[in-house]
This record gives sequence, structure tokens and C-alpha cells, in this order.
Amino acid sequence: QQQVKQSPQSLIVQKGGISIINCAYENTAFDYFPWYQQFPGKGPALLIAIRPDVSEKKEGRFTISFNKSAKQFSLHIMDSQPGDSATYFCAGYGATNKLIFGTGTLLAVQP
Amino acid sequence: KAGVTQTPRYLIKTRGQQVTLSCSPISGHRSVSWYQQTPGQGLQFLFEYFSETQRNKGNFPGRFSGRQFSNSRSEMNVSTLELGDSALYLCASSLNRGFETQYFGPGTRLLVL
Repeated sequence: QQQVKQSPQSLIVQKGGISIINCAYENTAFDYFPWYQQFPGKGPALLIAIRPDVSEKKEGRFTISFNKSAKQFSLHIMDSQPGDSATYFCAGYGATNKLIFGTGTLLAVQP
Repeated sequence: KAGVTQTPRYLIKTRGQQVTLSCSPISGHRSVSWYQQTPGQGLQFLFEYFSETQRNKGNFPGRFSGRQFSNSRSEMNVSTLELGDSALYLCASSLNRGFETQYFGPGTRLLVL
């Protein structure tokens, strides 16, 4: 019940393309869903987050789409750039006060 | 404002030894959580500290322990190291307990030989 499933495991996108990463959760007690970006040798950095009462949130080129009934959410990176190449993690957070992370997606944006 | 700092950044230990890792949260942040990151298991929650008390613990053996000081700085300790403890140990701080926005440090890379 605690799991967050993330796909794909890896993704190759051409510069200027759209990167899409999907996550599904089981725990209906989650009330906060962040996405983290991690570069090699660095800790995860908060990218964007959404609450389940909102279906979409956009910040610059990054958009989260949220489907509460399906218990799914996704990250869209528009106009993907080589600098976006990193590992992306989705997560869920709720009453347990701990982040439950997805397995991560390694994104490579080719120039 | 300075971010979360962790020391040391790299450590090499041998099996059976113990290790202590340190974390200084963002100034004003009172809650500190620790996570273990490995290629096989991903990011897993270790424990959370708030007001010098462990509030939450993940599914790790008792060899993993921690503490928090009155200035919110935290340490974690791993005793009797095993090869499988090799990982990146991440500390995250948040403003208060129940504040879901967590900011991560760069991590401590531990290699157990």
C-alpha cells in the first residue's frame, strides 16, 4: 500500500521534444506529490509538486498532471533541453510524514 | 540561506566497523529525515527526527540509529557495517514536522569493503 510505481525506467528524448514520466500510487492517504530532479553526485532537488485537489500544475516548462480517480500522476517536460538530463523521482507524502519514492527515471536529452 | 550540508561527503569503511554521518539542516528548519539511496532499492526512508526525538522509522535493522541535537543538527550511526550498507545517505530538512516540502543535502557516499 505504500508503493509508488514509476515508468519508464529510462527515457531518451530529442532536444525540443516532450518528456513524459508516469507514476501510480496505492496509498490514498497521500496528500502531496512532489517530483525531484537529481544530477550525478548531487542530492535530489525539488522540482514541482501538486496536491490531489488540483488536476494540473505548471511551472515554466514543467507540468504535473494528476488523476485522482486513477491514482496516477505524470511529469511533462516541454521543450526538453540537454541540461534536463538527470534522474527524476516522483514521490508521495501523507500522514506518515515520510516521502515514499518511485524507482526513478533516467532522462537523456539528445542535442 | 545555506542549504542542507552533510559531512563527510565520502567514506570508505570495512565490514564490522561503525560510522557516523552528520547533517546540518537549513537554518530555521527543525525536522530532519534520513534516506538511503542504492541502485537496487532506490530511495528508502530511514528515520525522521524532530525536537531531538525520533518520530518515525523505516524498515531498517537496529544497526541504524540516529539522534538530533538542540540546534536541529542530526547524526546517523551505522554499527557493524555490512557490504550491503554501501549507499548514498541523504539528509533532508523541512521547516517543521508535517511540512511535506523536504530539501535534500548532497549526501554522504559510503563504501563498505
